[in-house]
Amino acid sequence: DTEVTQTPKHLVMGMTNKKSLKCEQHMGHRAMYWYKQKAKKPPELMFVYSYEKLSINESVPSRFSPECPNSSLLNLHLHALQPEDSALYLCASSPPPGEVSNQPQHFGDGTRLSIL
Amino acid sequence: GQNIDQPTEMTATEGAIVQINCTYQTSGFNGLFWYQQHAGEAPTFLSYNVLDGLEEKGRFSSFLSRSKGYSYLLLKELQMKDSASYLCAVKGAGSYQLTFGKGTKLSVIP
Repeated sequence: DTEVTQTPKHLVMGMTNKKSLKCEQHMGHRAMYWYKQKAKKPPELMFVYSYEKLSINESVPSRFSPECPNSSLLNLHLHALQPEDSALYLCASSPPPGEVSNQPQHFGDGTRLSIL
Repeated sequence: GQNIDQPTEMTATEGAIVQINCTYQTSGFNGLFWYQQHAGEAPTFLSYNVLDGLEEKGRFSSFLSRSKGYSYLLLKELQMKDSASYLCAVKGAGSYQLTFGKGTKLSVIP
């Protein structure tokens, strides 16, 4: 069982819908990540939060809006997505680099998103 | 920037040993990680190396040579359930970011 929990596991939405992906971890990690993974491709980093503050935004379109309400939760708000945004969205967490060195990122099971 | 290279696909026989290589060129280095990913599932952490040498963990071992920019993942006593993609990922110095290779799809055949 993964220690990073993502909901929902599957999501189908139209291009005009607004939905949110949720991620929760209780490992005390203070860094949390959103990745996007297309079929047969490696995960691509989207956002990094460290101590609940946005540290990295990898030039992600504004139709993706991250939010970190507290140290255990990470959301990704979706609005006006395009068909090419269909992918597996992975959340991960880890200690921040300065806290404990060389700790792996732990991934959730992902949300499989389909845009109609 | 980071450039990570690993074979696209490999096939091996159940019970055998397979070695998956990864080469990297990075502007900073703070560890190399191996993840296993079954189709449609999340990546699962297998091992990491930050110093040169071999790290052994049951049927899985990982090796690193920093001077050569080279790592390998060794899987022994292959089982059918080991059929998956294996991702090599490099962490830059002081960085949050993991840069993933394209992954090696391993097929284990009877």
